[in-house]
Formats: sequence, C-alpha cells, structure tokens
Amino acid sequence: EIVLTQSPGTLSLSPGESATLSCRASQSVSKYLAWYQQRPGQAPRLLIYDASKRATGIPARFSGSGSGTDFTLTISSLEPEDFAVYYCLQCSHWPPDFGQGTRLDI
Amino acid sequence: QVQLVESGGGVVQPGGSLRLSCAASGFTFNDYGMYWARQAPGKGLEWVAFLRYDGSHQKYADSVEGRFTISRDNSKNTLFLQMNSLRPEDTAVYYCVKDRAVQGAWDYFDYWGQGTLVTVSS
Repeated sequence: EIVLTQSPGTLSLSPGESATLSCRASQSVSKYLAWYQQRPGQAPRLLIYDASKRATGIPARFSGSGSGTDFTLTISSLEPEDFAVYYCLQCSHWPPDFGQGTRLDI
Repeated sequence: QVQLVESGGGVVQPGGSLRLSCAASGFTFNDYGMYWARQAPGKGLEWVAFLRYDGSHQKYADSVEGRFTISRDNSKNTLFLQMNSLRPEDTAVYYCVKDRAVQGAWDYFDYWGQGTLVTVSS
C-alpha cells in the first residue's frame, strides 16, 4: 500500500499570496496523482488529475506538477474561497489512497 | 450536470445494519464505476468500496471487508451500500463518488455527492 504524506499540515497565508502544497508518495506513482479541495461543510472537489491536468471548470490559478514520488499543487493569487483543506490521491496502485490533507488558513 | 444524492444515513446501535442509497443523474450511469468513500468527524478521506460500471467486480477496504456490500441497479441509476455489523469506528459521512473513466477498471474519484451521516452509537 502506498502512503502519501502531505506537507505542511497547515499553511497560513493571505488573499493575493501564492500557496505551494506538497504531496510525497512512499513509492513511484508515475503521473497518477490527483488533488482535491474540500471547503468546510462541503464535499471534496476534483481540482487536478494526472499530476497536472485541471479538471472541468477549475480556474487557471490552480496548477499541479511533479511525477514519480514528489508532487506540488500551486495556487497563485489566493482568493477567499480557496481557504480550505486539500488532499492528494494516488491512482497508480490499488488501493487508491489519500494523503492526510493540508489545511490552508487565512 | 452530474448529480449524486445519498440517503439512508442515521443513528444505529453497534452491531446494527443500514442501507445507503445514491441516486445518480446527469451522466450515463451504466458507463461508470462508482465508489463509496467516508470521512469520520474531523478526519481525512477514506475509500470504502468500488464497483465496476457493469457490476462485475467489487473491491473493499480492509476495514469493511466482509461487513459491507456495494451494489448497483443500472436500470434505476442507483448505487447502494449495505452495511452490517456496524461499529462505532464506522461513524462518518458517507459519500457516493463517480469514477472518472468511461467503462474503465478504476480511476480518479470524479464527482462527489454531498454525503449522508452514519452514527454508530448505543
């Protein structure tokens, strides 16, 4: 089973700043990594899949990069609605596993 | 647009049973695999079960294997989760989730329902 480790646990920033979130896999997952956003009281939403492809309707300020074991989600020019919890998910090896999440706080 | 609406959650005693349902619309239901995922209060996300688009193959997390059963009725665009021998640690919001790939083996978690809360407590 692949373990995904997200860092930092919490990131405190202000609107307009840029955020960089990390997800590290315990073994290579090639490009098969996704990022999700979960706002308080809401269901998760797919942001990025295949490490760098934006899902339908996701703003261009969200971008993903990486391959193998190290991945990054970058959010440029934070909007108030971006303050949420972000999870990564690997779909390279069964079972699909989520990281523990990064909370993005104002 | 894709809509997934869960129902059937509630409070149940340890050892009891519940059956969750998920009504799907806005896509060709029988072309997509489906997942159940859950989130315990204040905790992260955990996948629970997966069912192929044609119902031919199921997979379960170790934590629920032998107690939960995922099924689907493609004629009614509905996904189910039968939960037996419930434990306090099964307390969570349960989400119905659409798989991203068309007629695939399994892929990313795509669209999520709003969830239904299951509380296991005496």
